[in-house]
Amino acid sequence: QKEVEQDPGPLSVPEGAIVSLNCTYSNSAFQYFMWYRQYSRKGPELLMYTYSSGNKEDGRFTAQVDKSSKYISLFIRDSQPSDSATYLCAMSAKGDSNYQLIWGAGTKLIIKP
Amino acid sequence: EAGVTQSPTHLIKTRGQQATLRCSPISGHTSVYWYQQALGLGLQFLLWYDEGEERNRGNFPPRFSGRQFPNYSSELNVNALELEDSALYLCASSLGQVAYNEQFFGPGTRLTVL
Repeated sequence: QKEVEQDPGPLSVPEGAIVSLNCTYSNSAFQYFMWYRQYSRKGPELLMYTYSSGNKEDGRFTAQVDKSSKYISLFIRDSQPSDSATYLCAMSAKGDSNYQLIWGAGTKLIIKP
Repeated sequence: EAGVTQSPTHLIKTRGQQATLRCSPISGHTSVYWYQQALGLGLQFLLWYDEGEERNRGNFPPRFSGRQFPNYSSELNVNALELEDSALYLCASSLGQVAYNEQFFGPGTRLTVL
């Protein structure tokens, strides 16, 4: 079993829909949770991060962490064709490796106009 | 401010050859990370350098190696190339040991092994 599981998709939704992207994990020591967005032929860029449990909102994006269920989510409201990309979750726990990130496989999201 | 740069953009090699990939971090960043992104497998951590030292390496064979120079730029070397080494190799940099590890990525080097 991988430490971080993420459905690779693709997930195809119509423009304007609410999108829900998810990751599950097995290591209860994870404290920092991040979502990166990767456009085709580009490197990933940090979209949002949260520490421990709870919600964080930034414009149309909401990141949610449920540590009791070992489950994190990224919601995108009023989705736009420009949101079409691969979304990767990443998480870390302080240890000997000093916050090494563990990555999900990424979910390919397609927003249809 | 210039972002993370990587060279070359594309690299084509044959089995058994060696490949050298280069990365320049954002000015002021001391940590450099290397990842392999093969199709459908997400990012696989390769190596982490900070202040010129190798701090950690992922589950890859020793033919994957690298170094970090005094100006914090970095080089990834892959010896005895195999077909399955074909992938996008991403370099990222960060400020080093911060509370959360925001990494800034370059555009990657696409390595094709024939």
